[in-house]
Amino acid sequence: GAVVSQHPSRVICKSGTSVKIECRSLDFQATTMFWYRQFPKKSLMLMATSNEGSKATYEQGVEKDKFLINHASLTLSTLTVTSAHPEDSSFYICSARLWAPTQETQYFGPGTRLLVL
Amino acid sequence: GENVEQHPSTLSVQEGDSAVIKCTYSDSASNYFPWYKQELGKRPQLIIDIRSNVGEKKDQRIAVTLNKTAKHFSLHITETQPEDSAVYFCAASMAGTASKLTFGTGTRLQVTL
Repeated sequence: GAVVSQHPSRVICKSGTSVKIECRSLDFQATTMFWYRQFPKKSLMLMATSNEGSKATYEQGVEKDKFLINHASLTLSTLTVTSAHPEDSSFYICSARLWAPTQETQYFGPGTRLLVL
Repeated sequence: GENVEQHPSTLSVQEGDSAVIKCTYSDSASNYFPWYKQELGKRPQLIIDIRSNVGEKKDQRIAVTLNKTAKHFSLHITETQPEDSAVYFCAASMAGTASKLTFGTGTRLQVTL
């Protein structure tokens, strides 16, 4: 149980284009999902908290117009990197929290490696 | 906000020895402390977690201890095996913050034969 998928696993795009990444909880409902960015050999940096049916909460320094998040259902959150530039190249990982009043556990997706040329 | 520090950044042990990774946190309101293992290019995998109402938790070769007074928690791996080689991250979160996790900087564990 508690499986999270992410698609695509890898994407290469040209500078200026937009890229959408999907995060799905396969066997549980997730009112809350999280989007992280991870640079090589570095820790996970929280970008935003995705809330089902409401606006995402962005961390300080993360541009909400640059990284659009939509959480339209209890099993799907999407991150769209708009007008991507080479500096947006990174490993993006989502996580989903099991829906329960006291449940804290986050389960991670396999990540999406984005390369912007 | 919460700040989590993790040491050491790299750790090399011989197979069969024990490994200990330590983390400290700053916010006394934090009450949930998971540990994740991440292999190269893979997703972080939850290996053990502890809540602030207990001081120790064990799962086979892995154990976690928590000292709320000192605000630190540690991961202990006994009888290490080559497949334990990975990067380990500690994290902390506080109830009521939508479970936002603040991660430590990671420890690269290398288990040598």
